[in-house]
Amino acid sequence: AQKVTQAQTEISVVEKEDVTLDCVYETRDTTYYLFWYKQPPSGELVFLIRRNSFDEQNEISGRYSWNFQKSTSSFNFTITASQVVDSAVYFCALSDNYGQNFVFGPGTRLSVLP
Amino acid sequence: KAGVTQTPRYLIKTRGQQVTLSCSPISGHRSVSWYQQTPGQGLQFLFEYFSETQRNKGNFPGRFSGRQFSNSRSEMNVSTLELGDSALYLCASSLGEQIQGPPLHFGNGTRLTVT
Repeated sequence: AQKVTQAQTEISVVEKEDVTLDCVYETRDTTYYLFWYKQPPSGELVFLIRRNSFDEQNEISGRYSWNFQKSTSSFNFTITASQVVDSAVYFCALSDNYGQNFVFGPGTRLSVLP
Repeated sequence: KAGVTQTPRYLIKTRGQQVTLSCSPISGHRSVSWYQQTPGQGLQFLFEYFSETQRNKGNFPGRFSGRQFSNSRSEMNVSTLELGDSALYLCASSLGEQIQGPPLHFGNGTRLTVT
């Protein structure tokens, strides 16, 4: 069975601090996809990144970066120089090779204080 | 391009009633999936439709059903509502092609309250 664990329920940081959100996944598939979504107070889930299981390259997009380590089944997300607008619930998710059977982690609520 | 549209945004129903939620996907998207989000259970997959056929189903009772129309719009129905059905129901659309895992595009959700 597929499973996603986000051990951090809530994190609070002060603006401009760096913060890392942890994600650990379980799957028996050899090919799968990992995702990060952001859910601001408005409720809509916003897609941040998709990573194929064969692509272990880390990725950086502006203040966001992702560290995918297959050996530890982790796909961690770092926000550098956090801003108040980053406050949201962040979900890590896993899907099968066909982009189906999505499983979401419980989410991490990030509060960035001014 | 218009995003995923869900109607209504808010709904209040009484136990035992039934409810229908609507979702219009992004133009060109053929896959529509539904999720239930509650504080206790988090985000849980309900079902997914592709070209008017249910392709995947989550672990929910038969009171939860859905359908997809030829224009890819989808409806979700919950019969004999229970208090525990109170949740944010999110709809997501994607191209649905089994080539690579396309990201899901989510709507703003319908918040259902059962009293």
